[in-house]
Amino acid sequence: EVQLLESGGGLVQPGGSLRLSCAASGFTFTSYAMSWVRQAPGKGLEWVSAISGSAAATYYADSVKGRFTVSRDNSKSTLYLQMNSLRAEDTAVYYCAKSVTQYGSGSYVDYWGQGTLVTVS
Amino acid sequence: DIQMTQSPSSLSASVGDRVTITCRASQGISNYLAWYQQKPGKVPKLLIYDGSTLQSGVPSRFNGSGSGTDFTLTISSLQPEDVATYYCQKYNSAPLTFGGGTKVEIK
Repeated sequence: EVQLLESGGGLVQPGGSLRLSCAASGFTFTSYAMSWVRQAPGKGLEWVSAISGSAAATYYADSVKGRFTVSRDNSKSTLYLQMNSLRAEDTAVYYCAKSVTQYGSGSYVDYWGQGTLVTVS
Repeated sequence: DIQMTQSPSSLSASVGDRVTITCRASQGISNYLAWYQQKPGKVPKLLIYDGSTLQSGVPSRFNGSGSGTDFTLTISSLQPEDVATYYCQKYNSAPLTFGGGTKVEIK
């Protein structure tokens, strides 16, 4: 059974930093790209970032480019999102999601974690 | 970047009604389109990928169609458990943009 467990959310001041983690299990982690998707309170889904299975390729939404960094440790089956220079508008539930291929672009997601709340205030 | 526009933003229909949600891409994306369902307080769930392929376990009353720039999600007979917000997402290339969502309620 695929399981994705996010952690690392919390309250942070504007301009601060936070690192989210997503521990994966139930599948061969290195064979699949992973994404981060966020949802501000009462709002829709916003794709944030993706990383290929090998970590060779990374992709970002314009809204976070230059501030957020996605990475993964395939030996630990863990996905990360380093968030710097946080703004109030980054407040959201952050979901990690598993792609159906190893490619971060050109692939949809089929499993989602439960999410972790980041509040910038 | 390609924009994804969903309509309507919300709708109310009776049980048994046929419901149609549209998603329009600002440029052609072939059939690289997925639909997700998010029930209140829950995590999004994949319904349809490649524009029209039903994800395993999804009821057959859900149908996806379209290619290029115009896509449709149809619920052939709305059920109470279909109350949710539905999102389209393009995935031909990054950014993997979502539509704004369509909230479906029971009348």
